[in-house]
Amino acid sequence: TQLLEQSPQFLSIQEGENLTVYCNSSSVFSSLQWYRQEPGEGPVLLVTVVTGGEVKKLKRLTFQFGDARKDSSLHITAAQPGDTGLYLCAGEDRTTDSWGKFQFGAGTQVVVTP
Amino acid sequence: EPEVTQTPSHQVTQMGQEVILRCVPISNHLYFYWYRQILGQKVEFLVSFYNNEISEKSEIFDDQFSVERPDGSNFTLKIRSTKLEDSAMYFCASRQGRPDNSPLHFGNGTRLTVT
Repeated sequence: TQLLEQSPQFLSIQEGENLTVYCNSSSVFSSLQWYRQEPGEGPVLLVTVVTGGEVKKLKRLTFQFGDARKDSSLHITAAQPGDTGLYLCAGEDRTTDSWGKFQFGAGTQVVVTP
Repeated sequence: EPEVTQTPSHQVTQMGQEVILRCVPISNHLYFYWYRQILGQKVEFLVSFYNNEISEKSEIFDDQFSVERPDGSNFTLKIRSTKLEDSAMYFCASRQGRPDNSPLHFGNGTRLTVT
């Protein structure tokens, strides 16, 4: 089983500050996805990264996939209260033909206060 | 935007009872999944389903669990004899399919409480 470690577990910042969330593994992933989850709801997809070194931007969110495809980061610029949520990373290894068997990290709870 | 829908949103059952959790995946998706999340824990893979059969299942998905696609739209998870430790949020997900890196789309989940 491939393990994904997310850090930090909890992050509380003021509106306007920047933050970075990390997702690390000793295993290589074919793809990695970032989700945000609100209490009582399902994870909502933010982005999929596939290529080592890939950088994707989604408004104030920047996602990076490590060159070796073992780690990823999510950076939020000028955080807003609406960014509050549980951020999950999930990796998939398709070399084993485990199609859709994503391994999830435990998540980083982000709280942005006005 | 199309979405995965799950019913009911909350199910309370007594230990030993059978429950069926229902999902309607996105209509043009070919791969279907169940995941679960015990309160305060990680989202865990249970089973994947493609072409009317199970593709893969985890060690959690024992003989008490079964999945079915009874018609062209519904995808169900049945737990035959529920245990207290089955209490969790159960998420259905679907995916368009190969060969692209299509993402998983999740429903909002069914909260199962076993008493």
